[in-house]
Amino acid sequence: GQQLNQSPQSMFIQEGEDVSMNCTSSSIFNTWLWYKQDPGEGPVLLIALYKAGELTSNGRLTAQFGITRKDSFLNISASIPSDVGIYFCAGQEDDKIIFGKGTRLHILP
Amino acid sequence: DAMVIQNPRYQVTQFGKPVTLSCSQTLNHNVMYWYQQKSSQAPKLLFHYYDKDFNNEADTPDNFQSRRPNTSFCFLDIRSPGLGDAAMYLCATSRDLGTRSYNEQFFGPGTRLTVL
Repeated sequence: GQQLNQSPQSMFIQEGEDVSMNCTSSSIFNTWLWYKQDPGEGPVLLIALYKAGELTSNGRLTAQFGITRKDSFLNISASIPSDVGIYFCAGQEDDKIIFGKGTRLHILP
Repeated sequence: DAMVIQNPRYQVTQFGKPVTLSCSQTLNHNVMYWYQQKSSQAPKLLFHYYDKDFNNEADTPDNFQSRRPNTSFCFLDIRSPGLGDAAMYLCATSRDLGTRSYNEQFFGPGTRLTVL
């Protein structure tokens, strides 16, 4: 089946730094999604991308849908403590969402 | 304000003892999903209901069943929990199926299941 490779697996950064994470797939998706999951909670949708090449922002977050439709990246600018959590990329094809394994973001004081 | 509610948040059961997890939604969405998420892993879809139509993922074990008595409620039944079934179980809803902006999946907070 389709698989997503999400990297890095975890990141340790200083507050205020910018963050970049990405996701690649062996096959194409029509939609790329980025979710954040806080400890003990369900994932919350941050950004949805529906067109190849699309670049979308949500506050300090920016995500892009790769031209090949096989990749996407998420950038977080000027990180703050509440950015801590697990970020999942997900590709949607027809009715199914396939999740990446997540990037765990740690922010050092 | 809660839109997708899962009860209980934490459930402890014994090996082999049936357990039911519940999910309710106030969004009046057509689709309800159940995902299993093990520690440090991605959520994995078990099945979904489109209205009353049940759609099982091919690799979902028979041990997992689901019921949707009405639009608002959906239950996950684990008939004989094994140690490997310990996980977070996430319920999600969407207005409809397909890849449109109005079909975003909204997740509940999850139920963490422990099997002793």
